[in-house]
Amino acid sequence: DQQVKQNSPSLSVQEGRISILNCDYTNSMFDYFLWYKKYPAEGPTFLISISSIKDKNEDGRFTVFLNKSAKHLSLHIVPSQPGDSAVYFCAARTYTGFQKLVFGTGTRLLVSP
Amino acid sequence: EAGVAQSPRYKIIEKRQSVAFWCNPISGHATLYWYQQILGQGPKLLIQFQNNGVVDDSQLPKDRFSAERLKGVDSTLKIQPAKLEDSAVYLCASSLDNGGGTETQYFGPGTRLLVL
Repeated sequence: DQQVKQNSPSLSVQEGRISILNCDYTNSMFDYFLWYKKYPAEGPTFLISISSIKDKNEDGRFTVFLNKSAKHLSLHIVPSQPGDSAVYFCAARTYTGFQKLVFGTGTRLLVSP
Repeated sequence: EAGVAQSPRYKIIEKRQSVAFWCNPISGHATLYWYQQILGQGPKLLIQFQNNGVVDDSQLPKDRFSAERLKGVDSTLKIQPAKLEDSAVYLCASSLDNGGGTETQYFGPGTRLLVL
């Protein structure tokens, strides 16, 4: 039962172009969504997040969009840089006295010069 | 500020052996998490501590996995006996508090376990 899905295992874009990573979820109880970035041999690092009461959050080159009716969120990176090449995980949170994250399977982004 | 520390970084064992992983969270972080990440999958929460108490261990295979967090700081995760399907990266994470806010989880580099 995969509650958080990232259907694209990989994505290749050219430097300077836009990267769009997608994530779908099934549980309506998720109230907060996060994107983590992971380089090889390192742990995931927090990138950007969005509350379920918002539909957009922006931080520099990174923007996350949330479409609650479609249970879909996306991460836009503009412009993409070679240093953005990593695996990106979408995560969704439930809160029942404590927070619990459910992660997607990840999308490997390759940004070529 | 020092990050989450984990050791060892790599471990190779044979099935039915036991293994233990250690995690030192960021200083002052009340909540500590252990995740299992199997190749090609996202991290899956195994157990979550708040201070030295367990708040969620619903996905921990308790017949073979155990974890403790003594004095609310360091934590160890043990597998005994290991199975082939336990081959994975074991990630430790910590967050400042779990008071209902949106505390960011900070991850360590992980321990890569290979069971032969």
